Amino acid sequence: EPEVTQTPSHQVTQMGQEVILRCVPISNHLYFYWYRQILGQKVEFLVSFYNNEISEKSEIFDDQFSVERPDGSNFTLKIRSTKLEDSAMYFCASSEEWGSPLHFGNGTRLTVT
Amino acid sequence: GQQLNQSPQSMFIQEGEDVSMNCTSSSIFNTWLWYKQEPGEGPVLLIALYKAGELTSNGRLTAQFGITRKDSFLNISASIPSDVGIYFCAGQPLPRDAGNMLTFGGGTRLMVKP
Repeated sequence: EPEVTQTPSHQVTQMGQEVILRCVPISNHLYFYWYRQILGQKVEFLVSFYNNEISEKSEIFDDQFSVERPDGSNFTLKIRSTKLEDSAMYFCASSEEWGSPLHFGNGTRLTVT
Repeated sequence: GQQLNQSPQSMFIQEGEDVSMNCTSSSIFNTWLWYKQEPGEGPVLLIALYKAGELTSNGRLTAQFGITRKDSFLNISASIPSDVGIYFCAGQPLPRDAGNMLTFGGGTRLMVKP
C-alpha cells in the first residue's frame, strides 16, 4: 500500500540552526500537510499546501517556518532558526483530494538542544 | 479554535474485553476520523465517517458519527494485545468554516493485559 515517507527519522540540532524536514507524499495525492506533536500532547496542525501554495496555516506556523515542493515528489518543512520549544515530532501527511482522509508518515523527531 | 474532548484518557483492560471511547465537540464537523498511533510511528487511519448517523466497521472496530455531527465513538470488540496504542479522534471542518485541516482529540491510551 502506498505510504508517506519522511526523512530523517530523528534530527538533533542546536538552537538557532536551520533544519529541513523532508517528506515524500503519496504519489497521486494533491494536498499536503505538516502537523507536529510535542511529547505527550495532541497532534497540532501547522500548514496545508495545494497547487504549489499554502492554503492554510495555523498560528504556530510563524515566519520561522516555510514549506516548499522543490520537485514533483518532495515536500519540505524548513525551520529557519530553531528554538528549544520546536522540539517535537513533525508529521507530514497527504490526501487525495479536499475532504478525503489524511495519511500520515512516521514522523521526524526533532530535538533542539 | 475548535476543541475535541476525548475520553477516557487511558484504559487498562484484560485481553478479550470490549473497549469504548468517544469524542465530543462544541462545533460541528464534516468528517470524523479515527487514527491509531503506536510508539515511534505516525497516526494510522482506522475508520473515516462522512455522514451524520453513519455506523462503520473495520474488522473488530466499529465507529459512529453522531447525529448532531458533534460527537463520535469508537468500539473495539474482543481486544487483543496488538490493540495497544494511542487512539485519536480527529474532525474535519465544514467547507464554509475552514479548509481541510484536522483537529485532533487528546488521545486514549489503550493498554491490554494478556
